[in-house]
Amino acid sequence: SQELEQSPQSLIVQEGKNLTINCTSSKTLYGLYWYKQKYGEGLIFLMMLQKGGEEKSHEKITAKLDEKKQQSSLHITASQPSHAGIYLCGASLRRGGKLIFGQGTELSVKP
Amino acid sequence: DTEVTQTPKHLVMGMTNKKSLKCEQHMGHRAMYWYKQKAKKPPELMFVYSYEKLSINESVPSRFSPECPNSSLLNLHLHALQPEDSALYLCASSQGVARANTGELFFGEGSRLTVL
Repeated sequence: SQELEQSPQSLIVQEGKNLTINCTSSKTLYGLYWYKQKYGEGLIFLMMLQKGGEEKSHEKITAKLDEKKQQSSLHITASQPSHAGIYLCGASLRRGGKLIFGQGTELSVKP
Repeated sequence: DTEVTQTPKHLVMGMTNKKSLKCEQHMGHRAMYWYKQKAKKPPELMFVYSYEKLSINESVPSRFSPECPNSSLLNLHLHALQPEDSALYLCASSQGVARANTGELFFGEGSRLTVL
């Protein structure tokens, strides 16, 4: 099974609607990172969260890391077609460990 | 310059061919990575170079041979590949391996490889 589980696997929303993507680990997260990928292209680094309870925002995207550091959520407010793509969470599951990725959430935004 | 440049963008090769994928960065990063990504799957780490030395090989078959000629360049030499090796190959870099563990990786656009 995946060490990092993302939900939902895919999401279709109407432009202007809010949405949330979750990333859950069975182990303590030593850093949680969100990336965005357009189909067949490279990954774009969005945000990094390291402390339990931490919350960061960039434009209309907000990410949170829960207090127990085992789950993160990515929230997009007033979605736009430019938000469409695959959102991947990445994490180190031990100190100094390699970065692993969740299976991704494919987001489509209907105009 | 905050780019990681990969060439070629697309490559089609036969199982008996020898080809190479190239990656270049000019951000002064000292760690470089190769990832493999199959369709609708997350990227999987293949190799890590730190200060031009191979530091991690994730049990990758020997038909994939990485090379780091200098701190800005990373190559992946391909020989006798199988059709199941068809995938998007992503190169990434970070200021150091420790910074990679902070997730601050910069990725290239990828090289899409098709093995016939």
